[in-house]
Amino acid sequence: ETGVTQSPTHLIKTRGQQVTLRCSSQSGHNTVSWYQQALGQGPQFIFQYYREEENGRGNFPPRFSGLQFPNYSSELNVNALELDDSALYLCASSPPGNSPLHFGNGTRLTVT
Amino acid sequence: AQSVTQLGSHVSVSEGALVLLRCNYSSSVPPYLFWYVQYPNQGLQLLLKYTSAATLVKGINGFEAEFKKSETSFHLTKPSAHMSDAAEYFCAVSDGNSGNTPLVFGKGTRLSVIA
Repeated sequence: ETGVTQSPTHLIKTRGQQVTLRCSSQSGHNTVSWYQQALGQGPQFIFQYYREEENGRGNFPPRFSGLQFPNYSSELNVNALELDDSALYLCASSPPGNSPLHFGNGTRLTVT
Repeated sequence: AQSVTQLGSHVSVSEGALVLLRCNYSSSVPPYLFWYVQYPNQGLQLLLKYTSAATLVKGINGFEAEFKKSETSFHLTKPSAHMSDAAEYFCAVSDGNSGNTPLVFGKGTRLSVIA
């Protein structure tokens, strides 16, 4: 049990739609990261939030955006969904210091 | 840019046999290296990490990995495979040891254990 909860577990959307994925971290975990894991691939870093500000971003377009809230929850928003956005989206959080990431079980998004 | 290459997308071993999963890294700075395991329909669980303190790193579930700078490798081993070890394994590299440093993952190796 990592203490990182993601919802929903599965989601089906149509191309062009918008989606919001949610993540709840443990208290004190002030860094949250989001990763995209396409089928048969390793996770790819989307972006990271620290104290409610984005402080790192991978090679993803602006239609991928996020929010982090004071209660240690966060959101990943994807606009104008494309078929290639179909993937497992992983949320990970960590407390301050040299502590590893704690991953949630992910949200599997299917875009048709 | 940092990267990792995992040799072999699928490895199959018999129960009780040695497990060897290969990972080579590329990094322009001293790397931090990680092995994660992913069971079906679950997130990633940290097995072990190398942070320059010792070249042989022991992790959970009997796994260990050895950092070899001359070979730019960080292979994962376990002396005796159990059925419960069947999962997807990912090697990852980072330029920091804390959770606020992004990880760059390999494509993963699926381990099958045959009874």
